[in-house]
Amino acid sequence: EVQLVESGGGLVKPGRSLRLSCAASGFAFDIYAMNWFRQAPGKGLEWVGFIGSKRYGETTEYAASVKGRFSISRDDSKGIVYLQMNSLRPEDTAVYYCSTRQQKTYWGQGTLVAVSS
Amino acid sequence: DIQMTQSPSSLSASAGDRVTITCQASQDIRNYLNWYQQKPGKAPKLLIYDASTLEAGVPSRFSGRGSGTDFTFTISSLQPEDVAIYYCQQYDNLPPWTFGQGTRVEIK
Repeated sequence: EVQLVESGGGLVKPGRSLRLSCAASGFAFDIYAMNWFRQAPGKGLEWVGFIGSKRYGETTEYAASVKGRFSISRDDSKGIVYLQMNSLRPEDTAVYYCSTRQQKTYWGQGTLVAVSS
Repeated sequence: DIQMTQSPSSLSASAGDRVTITCQASQDIRNYLNWYQQKPGKAPKLLIYDASTLEAGVPSRFSGRGSGTDFTFTISSLQPEDVAIYYCQQYDNLPPWTFGQGTRVEIK
């Protein structure tokens, strides 16, 4: 059974950094791309970024709203994908979800990031 | 980026009614479309993938159809537990993978 478990969320001041983790299990992690999405309070769903598998050079892509501030990496030996968030802004406040698409799309339960002074 | 236009933004219907939501893509996305249900405080739940494939364990009153740019999602007989927000999401080819604005479904 595919499982994705996010962690690392919390309250952080503007301008600070935070790293989220997503622990994956139940599938061959190393051959699948991974995505991060987010949902601000009361708002819709937004794609944040993507990391490809090692086979495809671990290519990364980011939404314009986070490009240059966020970065995604993966550790295939541990089955974990990371979202490093720097220079956080109040508008980054959201529940962050990791996701992978195989035959169908799987989501984790999310972790809340609150950016406030 | 591919834009997804979802309508209506909200609807209210009686239990047992047939409910339809539409999603239009700004360009051809073949059948690379998901439909999700989201209840307050919960992660999105996948209901339909590849535009028309029902996820395992999802009641058969939910269905999806379409390909190319025009898609529909139907609840054949609305139940009280279907009160939620529903989203379409395209995943054609390259990121960004975009969502419709969501449809809030309520019971009269």
